[in-house]
Amino acid sequence: DTAVSQTPKYLVTQMGNDKSIKCEQNLGHDTMYWYKQDSKKFLKIMFSYNNKELIINETVPNRFSPKSPDKAHLNLHINSLELGDSAVYFCASSQDTSGGKTDTQYFGPGTRLTVL
Amino acid sequence: AQKITQTQPGMFVQEKEAVTLDCTYDTSDPSYGLFWYKQPSSGEMIFLIYQGSYDQQNATEGRYSLNFQKARKSANLVISASQLGDSAMYFCAMRAYLSNTGNQFYFGTGTSLTVIP
Repeated sequence: DTAVSQTPKYLVTQMGNDKSIKCEQNLGHDTMYWYKQDSKKFLKIMFSYNNKELIINETVPNRFSPKSPDKAHLNLHINSLELGDSAVYFCASSQDTSGGKTDTQYFGPGTRLTVL
Repeated sequence: AQKITQTQPGMFVQEKEAVTLDCTYDTSDPSYGLFWYKQPSSGEMIFLIYQGSYDQQNATEGRYSLNFQKARKSANLVISASQLGDSAMYFCAMRAYLSNTGNQFYFGTGTSLTVIP
């Protein structure tokens, strides 16, 4: 009964490869997010979707493409992986973004991506 | 400009004592939300407590309380009766609304708390 789940938990791959990380939430939330946490633990938002519509698209390389097939899923596809993409990627969801406590984000367990 | 500032990279506290983790924020949005998260060494991000900018009272959740001082733009986390399991990284975060981009979320750089037996 995991609220926000991500697969895989660990991903080790070669430079130049394409990979995907999947995220699912069973909380019935409308909004989902992708974050990148670097080696210094700095957490930065990458994307946010509300009811399958992109609402936040931070300055990230266009090698990163989110896809939301339905409001319970938000996948992250990364093309042509680079060494600097190595990080922990977190998926999160919130009930909505209407302001107030319903903006509270609940995080998945994270995916540790290592690019060799 | 940095929106969330956590000035304490590392903190130590004796078990059973209280500890305050500092957080200051910067926004011109009159309606904003402040959050604290805990990240233990296992890596997951755990939501602890929320404070809305219009909330009259400081938020409390069990041993966690948020010392919200709006005029000073500070939202410090107070952990009472520290336990060994409280050793973790703690992040302060803010949701603010910008007219040109909508809701934005900002995280601080975190404070590493170590509880000493």
